[in-house]
Amino acid sequence: DSGVTQTPKHLITATGQRVTLRCSPRSGDLSVYWYQQSLDQGLQFLIQYYNGEERAKGNILERFSAQQFPDLHSELNLSSLELGDSALYFCASSPVYRITNTGELFFGEGSRLTVL
Amino acid sequence: DAKTTQPNSMESNEEEPVHLPCNHSTISGTDYIHWYRQLPSQGPEYVIHGLTSNVNNRMASLAIAEDRKSSTLILHRATLRDAAVYYCILQSNFGNEKLTFGTGTRLTIIP
Repeated sequence: DSGVTQTPKHLITATGQRVTLRCSPRSGDLSVYWYQQSLDQGLQFLIQYYNGEERAKGNILERFSAQQFPDLHSELNLSSLELGDSALYFCASSPVYRITNTGELFFGEGSRLTVL
Repeated sequence: DAKTTQPNSMESNEEEPVHLPCNHSTISGTDYIHWYRQLPSQGPEYVIHGLTSNVNNRMASLAIAEDRKSSTLILHRATLRDAAVYYCILQSNFGNEKLTFGTGTRLTIIP
């Protein structure tokens, strides 16, 4: 158990809909990262927040948005869903802003989104 | 981000050592070498990381070539639980914070 909690674990919805994925980082971790893992794209970095502020952005679509709240939990909002958005969405946390020296990101078990 | 090259898949017998190679010929002096693994139906899990010197921890050892253009993750005694996809990742000390995962090596452990 990494200490990172993601909900829901599974979600099935229809095209055009909107969903919200939630992540609770490990206690005390200030950084939250979101990754998308699909069969054809592998693990893709989406976005990082540190203490409530956006710090790095990856290949995140404009239909997707995220935020980190004062209690440090984070939400990833996916709207106008398409079939291709079906994937595993992982949240990871770290106690620091720069992980280079510590090396360690702690990943949750993911939220599996299926768009029909 | 500098790229890494790993074999798509490897097999090893249970209770034997496993050497997982990674080539990173374009590595820069400030790039750290990270290894993560992803067990079936789980999120990635940190294994080990290093810069220049070999590193050991309770999970594995990381052997880094003298020119740093390659590294090897060593599992000293493989168990069935070590069956996973292993990712070798470079991250610059001065870059942004994301870890860029490649396709990794799928390790199969034979009982």
